[in-house]
Amino acid sequence: EAGVAQSPRYKIIEKRQSVAFWCNPISGHATLYWYQQILGQGPKLLIQFQNNGVVDDSQLPKDRFSAERLKGVDSTLKIQPAKLEDSAVYLCASSLDLGGYTFGSGTRLTVV
Amino acid sequence: GESVGLHLPTLSVQEGDNSIINCAYSNSASDYFIWYKQESGKGPQFIIDIRSNMDKRQGQRVTVLLNKTVKHLSLQIAATQPGDSAVYFCAEMEANQAGTALIFGKGTTLSVSS
Repeated sequence: EAGVAQSPRYKIIEKRQSVAFWCNPISGHATLYWYQQILGQGPKLLIQFQNNGVVDDSQLPKDRFSAERLKGVDSTLKIQPAKLEDSAVYLCASSLDLGGYTFGSGTRLTVV
Repeated sequence: GESVGLHLPTLSVQEGDNSIINCAYSNSASDYFIWYKQESGKGPQFIIDIRSNMDKRQGQRVTVLLNKTVKHLSLQIAATQPGDSAVYFCAEMEANQAGTALIFGKGTTLSVSS
């Protein structure tokens, strides 16, 4: 079974620039999550999709972050404009049922 | 909101020793817990889980213990190997707008020396 694919692996941008991350979940997984992991901390949930609908985005800084999952498969997470404190690893995960989360390797974002 | 935390940020052991990583949680309503291992440059990897109707669950070289009275969770790794070196997170399944979501603690870095 193929895992959760994420790209790019690394990204360096200047503050106030825009950036987008892409995630392809495991085939058949209806639920998709984006987590932010700041260095030295545990992952923090940003947004949760069920198929192509958002079911929880209460922790997403909506003034600068946006995410979509138009066809209920792939998802993109965008930051515009980026701030220094957005430097982190952005993890995508998908699940079929309760507890069955599979994580991708993440995108490491550095904002300078 | 309530969150999951770990007692120690780092743990150093010798190869072959048994390792114990602890976690305290505060949400008494949580009924499902998972331990994850995260190696450098990778996403968290599932190790073992436990539901609140259990006190203990064993896997291959790993055991999770749950003490609901004091809201404490531990991960025991038998005969620790250099390949076990990683950051370990406990996570609890918490109710949210969508139903449930995983909430992670801060992590314990396990270093195994040979």
